[in-house]
Amino acid sequence: EVQLVESGGDLVQPGGSLRLSCAASGITVNTNHMSWVRQAPGKGLEWVSIMYSEGTTYYADSVKGRFTISRHNSNNTVSLQMNSLRVEDTAVYYCARGVHPGYFHSWGQGTLVTVSS
Amino acid sequence: SYVLTQPPSVSVAPGKTARITCGEDNIGSKSVHWYQQKPGQAPLMVIFDDADRPSGIPERFSGSNSGNTATLTISGVEVGDEADYYCQVWDSRDDHKWVFGGGTRLTVL
Repeated sequence: EVQLVESGGDLVQPGGSLRLSCAASGITVNTNHMSWVRQAPGKGLEWVSIMYSEGTTYYADSVKGRFTISRHNSNNTVSLQMNSLRVEDTAVYYCARGVHPGYFHSWGQGTLVTVSS
Repeated sequence: SYVLTQPPSVSVAPGKTARITCGEDNIGSKSVHWYQQKPGQAPLMVIFDDADRPSGIPERFSGSNSGNTATLTISGVEVGDEADYYCQVWDSRDDHKWVFGGGTRLTVL
C-alpha cells in the first residue's frame, strides 16, 4: 500500500522560510513523479511543483524562484524548500505521486502552512 | 495556458445520475483526470485518461471527453458521493504545467 506522509507545516512570518517533507512508503520516490499541490483555505487545488523520476523539475509561476523541490533517496523522502513566503502561500500542502507524469495517483493527507504576521 | 471551467455546484437526488462538466477549447484533444475531495480529506483520483477508473473506484463513476467538454458521470448517486470534484489536465507544451478546474460541489439532496 502506498503511503505519503507530509510534515513541516507551521506558522511563519511573511518573508520567512519553511521546509516541508514527504515520507513515502510502498513506493520509491526516485522511480515515481513526485509533486506538491496546495489548497488555500476554502479554495481549489493548485499545482506547485514536480520532480520527474529522472530528476527534471518544474514549478508554478507563482512560486518559481522561491520554492525548490528535492528528493532524498536514502530515506525515501521528497522535500519542498519554501523561501520568501507570502501571505498568499497560506494553504494545505499535499504531496502527490504519479506513475504517469500527467496525473496524481496517490496523495498524502497534507500539512498546513500559515504565513501571517 | 489552459483554463478549465466547472460549474460551482451540482445537486442531485439519491439514486439519480449526476453529470459534472469541465470546459475548455478543444479539451477533447487532452487527457482529463478527475478527483473527488470530501470535507477535511485529501483528494482521491476517481477517473484518469478521460474514462479509466483506478482500482477500487466503483463502476458508478465514468468519464467522457469530446470537443470542448469533458464530463464526469456518477450513476446511482449515493449520499457518500457528496464532495467537491476537480478536473485536471497536463499542459506539456513548453514549461510543463498541471491545471485544475475550479471545482464542483456535488450535493446529494
